[in-house]
Amino acid sequence: AQSVTQPDIHITVSEGASLELRCNYSYGATPYLFWYVQSPGQGLQLLLKYFSGDTLVQGIKGFEAEFKRSQSSFNLRKPSVHWSDAAEYFCAVGPQEYGNKLVFGAGTILRVKS
Amino acid sequence: DSGVTQTPKHLITATGQRVTLRCSPRSGDLSVYWYQQSLDQGLQFLIQYYNGEERAKGNILERFSAQQFPDLHSELNLSSLELGDSALYFCASSVRPGGDEQFFGPGTRLTVL
Repeated sequence: AQSVTQPDIHITVSEGASLELRCNYSYGATPYLFWYVQSPGQGLQLLLKYFSGDTLVQGIKGFEAEFKRSQSSFNLRKPSVHWSDAAEYFCAVGPQEYGNKLVFGAGTILRVKS
Repeated sequence: DSGVTQTPKHLITATGQRVTLRCSPRSGDLSVYWYQQSLDQGLQFLIQYYNGEERAKGNILERFSAQQFPDLHSELNLSSLELGDSALYFCASSVRPGGDEQFFGPGTRLTVL
């Protein structure tokens, strides 16, 4: 069965510091991979996606993620965190074939301290 | 703003009742998805419709049902509500039925008392 693991429930970083949020997935084939962000009381906003090609993908708000097939990982990074980045981040995996059901990780809550 | 709209934003009701959640997809999107977000289960896929037809089913209870209308809006019906149904219900939409990114609405927060 498909699954997504985000091992860090909470992460605190200082403003201006770099960030890496971890995501590992279990899937029978190469999936589509996504990172979404959810601010309090808001819906989910797509940060970036990986479908194929270059394994380093750029997203909005200065985020990037790298797909590593050998490690079944899709970690999210940002070189310098801003206070407005405080939110909950979700990694998700979806099938390339029939259907479009997304399986989400449990989420990582990011706190930014000034 | 993703372009996906959901009504109502908040819903408070009692156990045993029935409610209907409504979703309008982004203009041009043919596929609609429903997800449930709760503290104990996280974000879970419920059901997908594409151009009016059911496309995929996830962990949707038999007490729940959905449909997509000819104008492509969708409704999620929840009946015989239990306390455990309290959650945030998201609708998402995409252009294609598979292999496509999904755009999420702001959600409907359901509280069952």
